[in-house]
Amino acid sequence: GENVEQHPSTLSVQEGDSAVIKCTYSDSASNYFPWYKQELGKGPQLIIDIRSNVGEKKDQRIAVTLNKTAKHFSLHITETQPEDSAVYFCALEGSQGNLIFGKGTKLSVKP
Amino acid sequence: IAGITQAPTSQILAAGRRMTLRCTQDMRHNAMYWYRQDLGLGLRLIHYSNTAGTTGKGEVPDGYSVSRANTDDFPLTLASAVPSQTSVYFCASNRQGVGSEAFFGQGTRLTVV
Repeated sequence: GENVEQHPSTLSVQEGDSAVIKCTYSDSASNYFPWYKQELGKGPQLIIDIRSNVGEKKDQRIAVTLNKTAKHFSLHITETQPEDSAVYFCALEGSQGNLIFGKGTKLSVKP
Repeated sequence: IAGITQAPTSQILAAGRRMTLRCTQDMRHNAMYWYRQDLGLGLRLIHYSNTAGTTGKGEVPDGYSVSRANTDDFPLTLASAVPSQTSVYFCASNRQGVGSEAFFGQGTRLTVV
């Protein structure tokens, strides 16, 4: 089945620095690539998504890039803040409208 | 606006017991999903339903069953719980259609002892 590899599994940055999380996937017909943020004790929440007809999308301090030919997509967070500390998941859309998730990246932003 | 609600929030269950995890959404979404989250494994799909009256198996369906009698409710049942079903369970819903945002409940932490 479809597989999504996510790296790194943990990431620690200083407040104000940038954070980058990368995902690669195997053969897929998916055209939708969302990123979710999960805070402790809560369910995942969508923070940004990108569709295959777009190479890059930005929303304030968060940006996502997609290279469908190379089968990878990345999340970029600039000017990180302590409240950005959470677990981040990349995903792609499966054949049933479900999401196929990467294993997650625990981001820690140190003040 | 409640969104999607799961109950209970947490539960300790004796092995061999039957348990139903409840999930209700008020967004009139067609599609609903159950995922389990385990440390180091991310979220994996258990069962899904694209519309009321239909269900399908996901990646890890063994030991679980679901029903979808109406649009709003999508309960997950463990017929005879085993310790390997200890996990955090998330229900999700979306409008279905390509690129539709999925909304998640707050999760149910289940421990089978």
